[in-house]
Amino acid sequence: DTAVSQTPKYLVTQMGNDKSIKCEQNLGHDTMYWYKQDSKKFLKIMFSYNNKELIINETVPNRFSPKSPDKAHLNLHINSLELGDSAVYFCASSPSSYNSPLHFGNGTRLTVT
Amino acid sequence: GENVEQHPSTLSVQEGDSAVIKCTYSDSASNYFPWYKQELGKRPQLIIDIRSNVGEKKDQRIAVTLNKTAKHFSLHITETQPEDSAVYFCAALIMDSSYKLIFGSGTRLLVRP
Repeated sequence: DTAVSQTPKYLVTQMGNDKSIKCEQNLGHDTMYWYKQDSKKFLKIMFSYNNKELIINETVPNRFSPKSPDKAHLNLHINSLELGDSAVYFCASSPSSYNSPLHFGNGTRLTVT
Repeated sequence: GENVEQHPSTLSVQEGDSAVIKCTYSDSASNYFPWYKQELGKRPQLIIDIRSNVGEKKDQRIAVTLNKTAKHFSLHITETQPEDSAVYFCAALIMDSSYKLIFGSGTRLLVRP
């Protein structure tokens, strides 16, 4: 009964390919996020959506395109994958965009070869 | 700019001893400070959080202190156990054009049995 579930868990692909990661939360939260965790374990915010509306868009290459069809889902599509995109991508949700804790998914380990 | 600094990067303690991890933040308007524990290969999980209207919060062996004047907060773990071994992240809610949780660089805690 995972509260924030993301798929796939592992993703191995070649440079130049396009891939998507899906995320769903069943907590009834209004806000969802994508974070990137690199090999040094730094957790860096990429995007945030509140009720399907984009509210945070950090300096992420435009090869990364989030999409929120409804407030329970936030997907991440990545075009023209590069070696430097290899990381663990965490989806998260919170009750609101303000002053509330994040609930993380189990992560998607992306390896670009 | 937005910044959360965390020290030390690694910490090794003997089982039963205390561990202290310290963080500083740059945004004086920040008012929410969560701490996350990430075990190897797992997702970050909230262990405790504090809001700026209190200076200290305790939950069994874990406590967090906040000094808003100095803009720093600390995690204290007493009577450490081997299962406390993990990477710990502090975070601060940064308020600029939107609210976003900025994470420290993490502390790898090793509790030696």
